Amino acid sequence: GQSLEQPSEVTAVEGAIVQINCTYQTSGFYGLSWYQQHDGGAPTFLSYNALDGLEETGRFSSFLSRSDSYGYLLLQELQMKDSASYFCAVPSGSARQLTFGSGTQLTVLP
Amino acid sequence: NAGVTQTPKFQVLKTGQSMTLQCAQDMNHNSMYWYRQDPGMGLRLIYYSASEGTTDKGEVPNGYNVSRLNKREFSLRLESAAPSQTSVYFCASSDSRENSYEQYFGPGTRLTVT
Repeated sequence: GQSLEQPSEVTAVEGAIVQINCTYQTSGFYGLSWYQQHDGGAPTFLSYNALDGLEETGRFSSFLSRSDSYGYLLLQELQMKDSASYFCAVPSGSARQLTFGSGTQLTVLP
Repeated sequence: NAGVTQTPKFQVLKTGQSMTLQCAQDMNHNSMYWYRQDPGMGLRLIYYSASEGTTDKGEVPNGYNVSRLNKREFSLRLESAAPSQTSVYFCASSDSRENSYEQYFGPGTRLTVT
């Protein structure tokens, strides 16, 4: 089976940098995905890492270390609108169906 | 493009009632999924369909059935609703091409079973 662990809550101030960690245990590994979900909304895709290293997309970056079964999402220049839940997830199987972590609630303070 | 649409947005059922949640996508995706999300938790996979004509159980399939009606539509049925099925239900779809891992989610159906 698959299991993912991430912190339940993180708080930071506007303009700061925050890192959300995710460790995983999987049988068969394609890569690590990250999704953002605002309160009452649908999850939206942020990034996917198949290979080790850092992938940057604007203010957000995602890192993967396959040997450590570990990844993180890095959010820079935090804005109030970044307050949301962030989920790491791993795809598996014929349909690349996702197993999600329990999510990290990020609160950005003014 | 509407993306992934779900109906209804909200529903209240009494224990033992049945209902079908509808999902449709207009992105010509092969794969579709149903997840449930309980308060403060991640999403859990109920059923999925890798392609038209196939369906498979996910992590929490008990109490649910699905139908992949065609490439666009994937419905979820609760035959006899229970309070434990109170949750938010998300449908999603994805392109099964080799380097594509993004799933697109619908707005969700908020279901309460009393």
